[in-house]
Order: sequence, then structure tokens, then C-alpha cells
Amino acid sequence: AQSVTQPDIHITVSEGASLELRCNYSYGATPYLFWYVQSPGQGLQLLLKYFSGDTLVQGIKGFEAEFKRSQSSFNLRKPSVHWSDAAEYFCAVVLNYGGSQGNLIFGKGTKLSVKP
Amino acid sequence: DAGVIQSPRHEVTEMGQEVTLRCKPISGHDYLFWYRQTMMRGLELLIYFNNNVPIDDSGMPEDRFSAKMPNASFSTLKIQPSEPRDSAVYFCASSSGTPGEAFFGQGTRLTVV
Repeated sequence: AQSVTQPDIHITVSEGASLELRCNYSYGATPYLFWYVQSPGQGLQLLLKYFSGDTLVQGIKGFEAEFKRSQSSFNLRKPSVHWSDAAEYFCAVVLNYGGSQGNLIFGKGTKLSVKP
Repeated sequence: DAGVIQSPRHEVTEMGQEVTLRCKPISGHDYLFWYRQTMMRGLELLIYFNNNVPIDDSGMPEDRFSAKMPNASFSTLKIQPSEPRDSAVYFCASSSGTPGEAFFGQGTRLTVV
């Protein structure tokens, strides 16, 4: 079935530690790929996006993500986590078939907790 | 720009009542989206508009839900009559058209009792 999968519902890391959040997609063609962040009680904010080209993309707040076609993955990384990064992170896709673009389809999210 | 503005932030209503959620998109954005977020189903697109015209309402759960965009700076999502299963956080988002780049409001938390 077509889907966006975030296998980790909740992750806890220590402040200063590195972070990797996983995202896999299951679609016939490579969609456009996105990561959004939702702080408690807030709306979603775009962290970064991948359309084509360089498979390592840089985003805001020190985040980066790597697209791996062979694994149908778009994992989010950060070398050193800050307490303010505690939030919920959503992977999302936009399908792009034959020039017709769809809308954002979100994964179920990964909640990140940061230990002092 | 103040961003996407939604009102109210919280709404508690009784089953059977009419509920109206409001959204002011970012000026100059010509796409407007309504999403619903629940624990069970995550984030779901309900409907989106382009230049005030509804383009895709396939995500609207049933006829009790309706959305309008009378002008470029205002949209409403109405539920009539409301039911407890409509309890969720409703987000409005706007976009200038770049695929996937949406700016979200802070949401309206709706509780139907």
C-alpha cells in the first residue's frame, strides 16, 4: 500500500547527542519529500525539503536529511540536539505523477524528548 | 506578516451544535488548506482552495462538514451538526504554490461533548 512510514513513535535522546529520525515511503515514483516540526500547542513548520539533485539537504535549526532512493528513505539528522528540539517531527510527501502534483501526505509522526 | 491566523484557538461545544472555525491566510498566498489532526488518524487533508475556489474536497468526512472561502483573506470550516468524533485539532495552512511548502496556523482544538 502507498504510505509514509515513521517507524519510531517516540524517541528520547540526551542533550548534545546526535539524532536520526527515520522515514520511509512506499510509492511507485519518487515523490517530493519534506520534514515538518510541530512544537507543543503550535502548528507545523517546514524544516527542509527534497525535490531533486543533491541527496543531502540542509534545513533550518541545524537539521539535515538524506534521500536514499535504494532504501526509499529520507531520514532526518542533527549532530547535536538541544533541549528546544523537543517536539513532534513529521515526514511528508507530495506525489508528482506526470506533471500533476498532489498534496502533502504526512506520516504519523515521531515525538522527540530531550533529556538534560 | 503575522502568519496564518486561526480562531478560536479552543472550542468546546455540545453534540448537535454548529461549529465554525475561521482562518486568515498569509497575504499573497493563493492556496489554502484545511487539515484535521487526531491521535488515531494523524494529519488528514480535508479540503484545499486555489484562488478561493475549492479544488479537492475528497477528504471532507461527510456532508456535515462544509468549507468556504469568500475572499482571498478569509476561510471558514463549518460542522453542522457536530458529533463527539469530530473532536480534533483543525489546522489551516496557506501556500504560494510551491509544492509541499505550507505555512500552518496554530490550530483550533475542538472538543465536542
